[in-house]
Amino acid sequence: QSALTQPASVSGSPGQSITISCTGTRSDVGGSNYVSWFQQHPGKAPKLMIYEVNYRPSGVSNRFSGSKSGNTASLTISGLQAEDEADYYCTSYTSSSTLFVLFGGGTKLTVL
Amino acid sequence: EVQLVQSGAEVKKSGESLKISCKNSGYTFTNYWIGWVRQMPGKGLEWMGIIYPSDSDTRYSPSFQGQVTISADKSISTAYLQWNSLKASDTAMYYCARISGNKPDFWGQGTLVTVAS
Repeated sequence: QSALTQPASVSGSPGQSITISCTGTRSDVGGSNYVSWFQQHPGKAPKLMIYEVNYRPSGVSNRFSGSKSGNTASLTISGLQAEDEADYYCTSYTSSSTLFVLFGGGTKLTVL
Repeated sequence: EVQLVQSGAEVKKSGESLKISCKNSGYTFTNYWIGWVRQMPGKGLEWMGIIYPSDSDTRYSPSFQGQVTISADKSISTAYLQWNSLKASDTAMYYCARISGNKPDFWGQGTLVTVAS
């Protein structure tokens, strides 16, 4: 069982918006602004899409945005495109592990 | 440019040993933690452990403690993941990642390990 809880799958049609949640505890998501989101296409390494809750690395589309409320962080993708179909993972700093980073279980995004 | 370049795919038999590598460049290797991540076929990302190359402080996820060894050679900016006795269940893709700002920001391309029983 993963420390951070994500829905197993979400789907949306091209042009729509979707949101993926990532739920933790006060020891991680709720107590930290170090929440990140990664995109992984099949056979590829994960790619950083959002860091520190809502910052985008250079080169990442502004269709990707992040937010947090309480113990739940969210990734929103607007204007869905076929190329967005991938697995998405959240991570968070945690004060309850010497590894100090936790992963979510991952969410499969299907673009219909 | 930050780069993490991993060693190539491996095919091994149960009981054999293996050491895979992660060569780092484009930044000061000793200033950042490096982590190893397992991804079993069709499954999610699992944090195996981390190492701080400057002093070799190494921490393992409970699931992997005693199962693998993480090490680093700061003279050649390379991190390693090692098994003494592989099992079929070790078949997976393994990634190394640099940790910066409490997140894995740069990743290697992955090393596929296949263990035949």
